[in-house]
Amino acid sequence: RKEVEQDPGPFNVPEGATVAFNCTYSNSASQSFFWYRQDCRKEPKLLMSVYSSGNEDGRFTAQLNRASQYISLLIRDSKLSDSATYLCVVNLAALSASKIIFGSGTRLSIRP
Amino acid sequence: DGGITQSPKYLFRKEGQNVTLSCEQNLNHDAMYWYRQDPGQGLRLIYYSQIVNDFQKGDIAEGYSVSREKKESFPLTVTSAQKNPTAFYLCATKPTAGNEKLFFGSGTQLSVL
Repeated sequence: RKEVEQDPGPFNVPEGATVAFNCTYSNSASQSFFWYRQDCRKEPKLLMSVYSSGNEDGRFTAQLNRASQYISLLIRDSKLSDSATYLCVVNLAALSASKIIFGSGTRLSIRP
Repeated sequence: DGGITQSPKYLFRKEGQNVTLSCEQNLNHDAMYWYRQDPGQGLRLIYYSQIVNDFQKGDIAEGYSVSREKKESFPLTVTSAQKNPTAFYLCATKPTAGNEKLFFGSGTQLSVL
């Protein structure tokens, strides 16, 4: 089983739609969680961290469910500029090093 | 992100050759990472290092080697044992504590001739 799993998509939705992604992780000792955004052939950029209480940043809302070991990202009122690949990231903090694992990414395409 | 330099941007390798990808940072970050990305895929962890002279294998370390002789530098060597080296390689750094954000270089595209 992969350490971090995501639905690869692609998700193709109209502008203004609400879209949600889920991501599951296998290691219950995982310490911290993030969503990154990646545009084609560019380096990933941090979108937001994910906290147990849930957190919101404008049109983006992230949730963490430790009991079920999944995180989610909700995008409301989607814009054309939201088209990208969204990567779920998990930090498997260990005693001597911090192993950071990326999911395979979910591709999102917003159509006019 | 500023402060992390990966070179070269494009690299071509003949079959059977070793090649070294450079990653230099001036952010004074302790942790450094190497990831590989294939088309349409996510990032897979090759090696990571928390401090100088120490590094750990990631999920796909076979056919790769690294060194961490200086805090600023974490070069990745793709050896001839790596049978499918064509990919986009990304180097990242992170402060040891506090800020969990990864800082990325702009990547190196390696292609086998």
